Amino acid sequence: QVQLVESGGGLVKPGGSLRLSCAASGFTFSDYYMSWIRQAPGKGLEWVSYISHDGLYTIYYADSVKGRFTISRDNAKNSLSLQMNNLRAEDTAVYYCARVKSVPGVSGPLDNWGQGTLVTVSS
Amino acid sequence: DIVLTQSPATLSTSPGERATLSCRASQSVSSYLAWYQQKPGQAPRLLIYDASNRATGIPARFSGSGSGTDFTLTISSLEPEDFAIYYCQQRNSWPLTFGGGTKVEIK
Repeated sequence: QVQLVESGGGLVKPGGSLRLSCAASGFTFSDYYMSWIRQAPGKGLEWVSYISHDGLYTIYYADSVKGRFTISRDNAKNSLSLQMNNLRAEDTAVYYCARVKSVPGVSGPLDNWGQGTLVTVSS
Repeated sequence: DIVLTQSPATLSTSPGERATLSCRASQSVSSYLAWYQQKPGQAPRLLIYDASNRATGIPARFSGSGSGTDFTLTISSLEPEDFAIYYCQQRNSWPLTFGGGTKVEIK
């Protein structure tokens, strides 16, 4: 079955950096686009970033993270990453990786999600 | 950005009742709207995509309808496990956006 397992979250000071990882299994990772979504404590969902199956064709970021976050993937290792620099208090959230369902359109719906990893930005 | 407004914010209802949740988009998203369910401490789960298509393994009591700017998620007869928060999400244009959620709680 599809499994997505995030790791790398933790407590970091404002201005600091953190790298999140998402280990994928149970499907052919290189066939799927992937995305990161976050959820601040007690709040709703916010899309963060999106990457094409090859990591080259399409990469998008939310304006709130553009220039600070970098999404990447290693298809040989079935792994998705999110490098987060210059972190702010408002980046505090649970970060989920999600698989993008392969259907026509700008992006597919998010058909499988990991359990999330908590990032806390605080001094 | 496309803003999705969900209503009501909270729906207090009972098992066995019918639940109707609304999602309104600030501009047309065609049929590119999905619904997710999230329970406390869990990741969201895809229920419905492209307005009316049930995702794999989703019970038939969940149905979606609508197009353009107005969408509805209907749960025909609430089961105890259906009490959760429901989010809509559009994939018609970047950035992808989510609604603020509707909490379905036990009355």
